[in-house]
Amino acid sequence: QSALTQPPSASGSPGQSVTISCTGTSSDVGGYNYVSWYQQHPGKAPKVMIYEVSKRPSGVPDRFSGSKSGNTASLTVSGLQAEDEADYYCSSYAGSNNFVVFGGGTKLTVL
Amino acid sequence: QVQLQESGPGLVKPSQTLSLTCTVSGGSISSGPYYWSWIRQPAGKGLEWIGRVSSSGGTNYNSSLKSRVTISMDTSKNQFSLNLSSVTAADTAVYYCARWPTSKGDFDYWGPGTLVTVSS
Repeated sequence: QSALTQPPSASGSPGQSVTISCTGTSSDVGGYNYVSWYQQHPGKAPKVMIYEVSKRPSGVPDRFSGSKSGNTASLTVSGLQAEDEADYYCSSYAGSNNFVVFGGGTKLTVL
Repeated sequence: QVQLQESGPGLVKPSQTLSLTCTVSGGSISSGPYYWSWIRQPAGKGLEWIGRVSSSGGTNYNSSLKSRVTISMDTSKNQFSLNLSSVTAADTAVYYCARWPTSKGDFDYWGPGTLVTVSS
C-alpha cells in the first residue's frame, strides 16, 4: 500500500482536460510544498513534470499544471494529446527521516 | 548534462545480497548539495524509495528496508552503490538511481533502470 493515494486510472479525449488527485497527510503533502509529479511511459524511467507543487521544469509543456489544497495535490493536463498517455506518479517530501513517499500511480488513457 | 547509469547483476539468488552501482557523469557526486537515491519498482507496481546518500556522505534509508540496506559512495569513481541483503522474490524489481537537488525537492535526473530478478 502506497503512502499517497491516487486513483488507479483516468481518461479523457484529445483536447480535453483531466485532473489527477494525490492525497496524503499533514506529515507529507500537507506539511511541505515539495510535491512532484512524474510521467512514466512503458519501459522508461520516470520524468519530472511538476515540482514544488506547481513549477514546471524547462521543456515541459504548459498544458501540465499542479496545485495543492490541504493534504491533497492535483495534476491537471489540459489539451490532452496522444503522447500524454502514460502512468503518472505523485511524490512528496516527508521529512528528513522518511524523506520521500510516492503515490501508487494513475494510468492516464487518451481515448 | 548529468547522466546516471545503473549496473550490476540481473539475477540474484534468494538470501544473497543484491549489489548495484550508479555511475554519474556530467557532474561530481561530491559537489552539491544533492541527495543521490535508489528507487525501485516491481513489475506493474508503483515506485518505492529505498534510501539516499548526500553529497557529504550521510545516509538515510526507508524504515521498511533499513535493516537490509546499505548505500555508499565512491567519489574517486563518481559512483554510489546499493547493497540489499537477504533478498527474496519480493525484491524483484526495476531499480533506479536518481538525483534530488536539495534546493528543488524533486528527482530531476534518473538512470534508465536495471531489472533485478531474485530467483534460484
